[in-house]
Amino acid sequence: GAGVSQSPSNKVTEKGKDVELRCDPISGHTALYWYRQSLGQGLEFLIYFQGNSAPDKSGLPSDRFSAERTGGSVSTLTIQRTQQEDSAVYLCASSRTDYTGELFFGEGSRLTVL
Amino acid sequence: AQSVSQHNHHVILSEAASLELGCNYSYGGTVNLFWYVQYPGQHLQLLLKYFSGDPLVKGIKGFEAEFIKSKFSFNLRKPSVQWSDTAEYFCAVIHMDTGRRALTFGSGTRLQVQP
Repeated sequence: GAGVSQSPSNKVTEKGKDVELRCDPISGHTALYWYRQSLGQGLEFLIYFQGNSAPDKSGLPSDRFSAERTGGSVSTLTIQRTQQEDSAVYLCASSRTDYTGELFFGEGSRLTVL
Repeated sequence: AQSVSQHNHHVILSEAASLELGCNYSYGGTVNLFWYVQYPGQHLQLLLKYFSGDPLVKGIKGFEAEFIKSKFSFNLRKPSVQWSDTAEYFCAVIHMDTGRRALTFGSGTRLQVQP
């Protein structure tokens, strides 16, 4: 597609349930990033992929969070046993390379944990 | 730890007023610097970027930013704002010396332009 695509755009879940968020980057972009944006906060880095490997997972807030990327394309962010503090907009971005910082963002997935 | 500070959290201006949004970063090495913008209901998009060379960079829609290395700053400016500039603006930095390839973002500045 022309841009970064994320799904679902909106997810409401109950505390304790698992959720999966999907990101389809721009074709040909080798770098993929997940960020989290909470109300009134900036963008919090979660994880970065170069190809299928994740050289930097330093932003994942706990072991309930994991992500994978397959075929150098689609990525899935999984949150297990969701908590209310996980409520946020999860943003995915891709980049042609990993060394410029010029990112193309998706619309985000808004997660609400009740 | 790397950090980016945006001093103004919420700015309200009238149309035609001049704009300057402050941005400071914490690291003294080689940096790439960015301003991203998020218009209401839209995704984040790149406004302008600095990699090297002329420290005064021009972006879309009449925005410009000046990199002052001695001050670790990359302030965003526009001589005359329009109502359509109402948006949230994020400063971001990537530190090229560290090997870390993730952008560090500031907390954002919400700009409201009144007609």
